[in-house]
Parts: sequence; C-alpha cells; structure tokens
Amino acid sequence: EAGVTQSPTHLIKTRGQQATLRCSPISGHTSVYWYQQALGLGLQFLLWYDEGEERNRGNFPPRFSGRQFPNYSSELNVNALELEDSALYLCASSRGQGPSQETQYFGPGTRLLVL
Amino acid sequence: QKEVEQDPGPLSVPEGAIVSLNCTYSNSAFQYFMWYRQYSRKGPELLMYTYSSGNKEDGRFTAQVDKSSKYISLFIRDSQPSDSATYLCAMSTGAQKLVFGQGTRLTINP
Repeated sequence: EAGVTQSPTHLIKTRGQQATLRCSPISGHTSVYWYQQALGLGLQFLLWYDEGEERNRGNFPPRFSGRQFPNYSSELNVNALELEDSALYLCASSRGQGPSQETQYFGPGTRLLVL
Repeated sequence: QKEVEQDPGPLSVPEGAIVSLNCTYSNSAFQYFMWYRQYSRKGPELLMYTYSSGNKEDGRFTAQVDKSSKYISLFIRDSQPSDSATYLCAMSTGAQKLVFGQGTRLTINP
C-alpha cells in the first residue's frame, strides 16, 4: 500500500511570494491534515480537510489556506510568504469515520525555505 | 503553559538498554494517545496508538497511559542503534487535531 506522498520535496521562495504544496493521501483515506514543523516550535496543526470541506483550522493567519479535491488529494497555499514560514510542512491522512479516524499517517514533508 | 510537555533531551543510552520516554499534558479531554518516531529529514512514523488509559505492547515497544496523572510513557526494550531518532508524543480529544510534544532526540550508542 502506497503511503502519503507530497510534492515538491523542497521549495525555495522569496518574501512576498506564494507557495503551493501538494499532498496525496493513502488510498481509502478521506481526511487530509496539514502540519507545520518549524525549528524550535514542534509540530503545529494547520488545517483539516474531509470530503472536500475544511473541518478545522489551527492558529494560523488566513494567508495559509488550502483545498481538497474530489480524489481526496489536497493543496496547501501560503500567500505573502514571510521568513518565519520557513519550515517542514507535513501532510497526514486518515480514514474519515470510526475509531481509526484518529490514526494519522504522515508523508515525508515539503521543506519550504523563504529567503 | 503548553498543552503537552515533553523533555527534548537529547537522550543517549548504550545499545541494549531500556529507554523510557515521557510526556505530561494538561487537557483532561485528551482521549487518544500516540507515539511517533521521526528520523532525520523524514516524516513522523506512527509507532503506537492507545485509546484512554492502560498499556499496549508491540514487540520491543510498550506504551502506557495514566489519565489520572495526565502522564504517558513509551518504553523501548533491548534498544538498537536503528532506534536512534526523535520520538514525538501526540494526543487528541477526538476533534481530529493532534497536539504534539516537542519531541525527544534519542541516540542509541553501539
């Protein structure tokens, strides 16, 4: 069974630009989560999508947004990039219903560097 | 105060030792408890998943949850150099959002 995949693996942008990160969940998983892992701050929850809808959002400004497509893949967009957005962005997926919904499986991440 | 506290280490032990990793938390609504292992420059890998209090064993790994003390532990028996990684505790109230500890960097010395 293929795991969660993310692209690109690395992304370099300059301040003020926009970044788009992509994620494909494990087959059969309908929920996709985005987390930010910044140096010294640990893993912080960004967004949760399920069945194409945004279900929950962490403490991040509105310039962090995303969407989920009909095939359950997802995109994270970060507008007006700031230096402190430099981090590893991790995508996770889980089954949408039942007790296993809490079991999230992570992809390898996209490392974003803002110069 | 952070919702989840985890000693960042680093922790260094000889091969074969028993390793104990711990997290404390403040939110009594947490019901789901997980341990992830993260190798350098990789995504976190789910190791153990526990619902509510109790123990769970999987091979050399044992997870313990004590909800009365708001304390969770991961024990690694017969530690191997390949266990060297950062270990992250995570927990959830059931609202799909995982709250992570800072992670403990573990090194097993041959």
